[in-house]
Amino acid sequence: GDKVKQSPSALSLQEGTNSALRCNFSIAATTVQWFLQNPRGSLINLFYLVPGTKENGRLKSTFNSKESYSTLHIRDAQLEDSGTYFCAAENNYAQGLTFGLGTRVSVFP
Amino acid sequence: NSKVIQTPRYLVKGQGQKAKMRCIPEKGHPVVFWYQQNKNNEFKFLINFQNQEVLQQIDMTEKRFSAECPSNSPCSLEIQSSEAGDSALYLCASSLGNYAEQFFGPGTRLTVL
Repeated sequence: GDKVKQSPSALSLQEGTNSALRCNFSIAATTVQWFLQNPRGSLINLFYLVPGTKENGRLKSTFNSKESYSTLHIRDAQLEDSGTYFCAAENNYAQGLTFGLGTRVSVFP
Repeated sequence: NSKVIQTPRYLVKGQGQKAKMRCIPEKGHPVVFWYQQNKNNEFKFLINFQNQEVLQQIDMTEKRFSAECPSNSPCSLEIQSSEAGDSALYLCASSLGNYAEQFFGPGTRLTVL
């Protein structure tokens, strides 16, 4: 978790509200992936980013490689958005992805 | 979302026993990764393959773990002598290239008693 720091570690959201998750990198990240892990453990791909911004429905993500961070915005939170969100970075030196420790999101009615 | 298949979903072993898990990557994906996720949500890269060749593996994998990706058969990861500290979720991912989007299977949850 030192090389990829996620914040906050946990988040409680009321349905219909908006929020943002953040990852700060102390490695030279070249690409970033965001995942949602469901209670059964499956990692669902949300975004794969080179530097820039992508949007998919109520989710929007940005990766700024110069300032070494990435954000995930959740708009109009729904109950099914609950789970643990992970960001993971790739760089030219390490094999595989370097993951953060996750943000546990709970959406309540 | 992902078409990576992992079996079994759950595995329970005693200390010192072998533990073997399998992974079928998405069709057309030549690169396979294995990761370990512990109960503290720490992910550790273990090993990766391109087709049947090992690209990189960490020290732990070299000593107690064995892995292979034979052609026309599932990839496998085997712990030769399980230890309590090996209890974790083992995730397999596949991708089109070594630096490309990775897609994960549902994982094998190993419990070592």
